[in-house]
Amino acid sequence: NAGVTQTPKFQVLKTGQSMTLQCAQDMNHEYMSWYRQDPGMGLRLIHYSVGAGITDQGEVPNGYNVSRSTTEDFPLRLLSAAPSQTSVYFCASRSTGEETQYFGPGTRLLVL
Amino acid sequence: AQKVTQAQTEISVVEKEDVTLDCVYETRDTTYYLFWYKQPPSGELVFLIRRNSFDEQNEISGRYSWNFQKSTSSFNFTITASQVVDSAVYFCALSGANSGYALNFGKGTSLLVTP
Repeated sequence: NAGVTQTPKFQVLKTGQSMTLQCAQDMNHEYMSWYRQDPGMGLRLIHYSVGAGITDQGEVPNGYNVSRSTTEDFPLRLLSAAPSQTSVYFCASRSTGEETQYFGPGTRLLVL
Repeated sequence: AQKVTQAQTEISVVEKEDVTLDCVYETRDTTYYLFWYKQPPSGELVFLIRRNSFDEQNEISGRYSWNFQKSTSSFNFTITASQVVDSAVYFCALSGANSGYALNFGKGTSLLVTP
């Protein structure tokens, strides 16, 4: 099992550009989520999904869209990047009934 | 509402010293889970331990031990005989039914172990 994978590892964007951060897991986990990590802030939940076709907002959803068309994939879309979205983004997954979330390696995003 | 407080922002110890990382939480859930994650300088998040609210038994894993006390809403983490490889940021996190079991993280404690 590859676990949770994220691409790209690092991305530089200009303000206003759009992009999609990819997240995939091969553990057949129902629950997937996106967090952002900023210095001194810990990790904050952006969006999460409890299964294919079901998504919901977390603590800091503004500026981000998600969809869950398959169990394996949970992409995070930035429609119009802003410097405030400069951060490290982590995707995580867990199985229903197994409360431990496992994290991907992260994507470092810089918005100029 | 759920909240996790890690009051220690940075800790510096000399190798072989014992160190305790504090974690205090707030929740209205009767069923909840507490976690510790390690983030080494390479950046990945490594799961260390999970505890559910009905299990107050302390746990020891090698040089690591965890002390869960519901009476004080604390879930402290002790590293015995610290090593340089323990240098990392450590996050305490909480999840519960009322928040869909999403993780609420503390702001982390940066531990530096020097030779």
